[in-house]
Amino acid sequence: DGGITQSPKYLFRKEGQNVTLSCEQNLNHDAMYWYRQDPGQGLRLIYYSQIVNDFQKGDIAEGYSVSREKKESFPLTVTSAQKNPTAFYLCASSPRTSVGNEQFFGPGTRLTVL
Amino acid sequence: GIQVEQSPPDLILQEGANSTLRCNFSDSVNNLQWFHQNPWGQLINLFYIPSGTKQNGRLSATTVATERYSLLYISSSQTTDSGVYFCAVGVSFNKFYFGSGTKLNVKP
Repeated sequence: DGGITQSPKYLFRKEGQNVTLSCEQNLNHDAMYWYRQDPGQGLRLIYYSQIVNDFQKGDIAEGYSVSREKKESFPLTVTSAQKNPTAFYLCASSPRTSVGNEQFFGPGTRLTVL
Repeated sequence: GIQVEQSPPDLILQEGANSTLRCNFSDSVNNLQWFHQNPWGQLINLFYIPSGTKQNGRLSATTVATERYSLLYISSSQTTDSGVYFCAVGVSFNKFYFGSGTKLNVKP
């Protein structure tokens, strides 16, 4: 089936450790995104990538890093510099067309810093 | 960035009732989506509707881009409609801004 997968579903991390969240899509979409959601809040954009080997910072990129070496994959690293990393992280992808783009989301990863 | 305001923030309905959710945005957009977030956190696409009107079963949506708002209509609500409804708008090919959502609770 076509879709977006994220792993792991739950992740626990000790303070001071870096952790990488996986996002894979088989929809042949050019664009991929990472969002953060805090309890009772909307989604905020961390990073996005329009094409392989290119990515841009979103509104809350500090303390995060990404790579886009393959069209299908867009991993997110939460570094020790992120001051409050406990949150729900959502990955999305979209086609890139001249008439707009519809985003599709993965199931998310819940990160807890102990 | 674009400001997105959703109203009401909370809504309680009796099963079978109808409701209208509103999304206002502060600038011109060329992308607009409505999502339903289920209790497990999954975002489900309801409508991609940068302008015009669409219907899908008991749900319909209308976007008036020139007046910078969109409406989501839910008719004959069911308990499975409960959850949070988000509006997201985009001003380029690749950047979306989300509202804070409307939390809907449908009681049997």
